[in-house]
Amino acid sequence: KAGVTQTPRYLIKTRGQQVTLSCSPISGHRSVSWYQQTPGQGLQFLFEYFSETQRNKGNFPGRFSGRQFSNSRSEMNVSTLELGDSALYLCASSSGETSANEQFFGPGTRLTVL
Amino acid sequence: AQSVTQLDSQVPVFEEAPVELRCNYSSSVSVYLFWYVQYPNQGLQLLLKYLSGSTLVKGINGFEAEFNKSQTSFHLRKPSVHISDTAEYFCAVSLFSGGYNKLIFGAGTRLAVHP
Repeated sequence: KAGVTQTPRYLIKTRGQQVTLSCSPISGHRSVSWYQQTPGQGLQFLFEYFSETQRNKGNFPGRFSGRQFSNSRSEMNVSTLELGDSALYLCASSSGETSANEQFFGPGTRLTVL
Repeated sequence: AQSVTQLDSQVPVFEEAPVELRCNYSSSVSVYLFWYVQYPNQGLQLLLKYLSGSTLVKGINGFEAEFNKSQTSFHLRKPSVHISDTAEYFCAVSLFSGGYNKLIFGAGTRLAVHP
């Protein structure tokens, strides 16, 4: 099976712009979770989607949003970018039935905000 | 609320020496426990997980971890490390129920294996 893929791998934006990141889960997986990784805050949970519905949400401002399509692919959007949004954004997929299921991570999208 | 504490931010060790990476968690409810590894410029890879049953869990690449409920710890060990084990290691918890796929991560421990 192909692994989790994320596009683009690298992205440079300026303050105030918006950005959309994409994640394609492992075939058959219905859950997609997003995490932000920064040197200062570490790995923080953003949100989780399961069968096109947001099932869980972390403590991030409303500028961070996401969605999931019927084929389980997911996108996350960040509007009005701030310097502090520079981070590695990781997507993870799982079958999603229980919290015991392993999450498989993609390589991440490194976003730099100038 | 759940939290995860990784007691060492960096652990230097010589090749073929044993290593222990420490992890403590706090939670008022039952949790599942995980260790992930992150190599440079890559995503996270699952090393092992504790769901229930035997408290000693064996994972990939020769790693193992022991769940200690009374001490709320889940320390990761390897009897003999290799240069290729140099990476960042993350301990994480997930709620037993209702938490679905929300992982709470520790701050990470950077393992540096020297020749």
